[in-house]
Amino acid sequence: EPEVTQTPSHQVTQMGQEVILRCVPISNHLYFYWYRQILGQKVEFLVSFYNNEISEKSEIFDDQFSVERPDGSNFTLKIRSTKLEDSAMYFCASSENRLNTEAFFGQGTRLTVV
Amino acid sequence: AQSVTQLDSQVPVFEEAPVELRCNYSSSVSVYLFWYVQYPNQGLQLLLKYLSGSTLVKGINGFEAEFNKSQTSFHLRKPSVHISDTAEYFCAVRGFGNEKLTFGTGTRLTIIP
Repeated sequence: EPEVTQTPSHQVTQMGQEVILRCVPISNHLYFYWYRQILGQKVEFLVSFYNNEISEKSEIFDDQFSVERPDGSNFTLKIRSTKLEDSAMYFCASSENRLNTEAFFGQGTRLTVV
Repeated sequence: AQSVTQLDSQVPVFEEAPVELRCNYSSSVSVYLFWYVQYPNQGLQLLLKYLSGSTLVKGINGFEAEFNKSQTSFHLRKPSVHISDTAEYFCAVRGFGNEKLTFGTGTRLTIIP
C-alpha cells in the first residue's frame, strides 16, 4: 500500500540552527501539507502546497519557515533559525486532489530544539 | 473557519465493552469529516471519513461514525473494544473549498483488561 514517508524520524538541533525535514508523498498525489503537533496539544495546520507554490498557510507559518519540492518526489520543510518552541512532531501529508479525498499522513519527524 | 470540540480528553473502557468518542464541530460552510487514530509512537492513520451520502460510515477495525448535521456531531463508536484499540483518536473537519484540516484536541482511549 502506498504511503507517505518522512525522514528523519527524530532530529535534535541547537537553537538558532537551520533544519530541513523531508517527506516523500504518495506518487500520484498533487497536494502536499505540513502539520505540527506540539507535545500534548492538537495537530495544527502549517501549510499546503500545490503546483509548486504555497496555496494556503497558517499564522504559525512565518518567515522562518519555507517549503520546497526540489525534485519530482521530495517535499521539504525548512526552519531557518530554530527556536525552543519549534520543538514538536511534524507531519507531512498528501492528497490526490483538493476537495473530496482524504489526506494521508506520514509517521512524523520529532524535532527537538535544545 | 471551522472548529472541532472533543469534550472527552480521556476515556477508559473495559475490554469488550462498547465505546463512543464524541466530536462536535462548527463551520460556516458544509464540511467533510474525518476520524484519525494515532497509536503510541506512530503517525496519524485514517479510521473513516464522511464526504457525502449515507450519514453512517464504517471504517477500519470495526469502527463506525454517524454524521448528524442538525447536531453538528460526528461521534465515533465501536460495539466491542480490544486492547489493541488503545490509542489517541482525533476528529478532524475540512470545509468545502478549503484545503486544511482542523483537528480536535484528541481523546485518549484506554482499554482496561
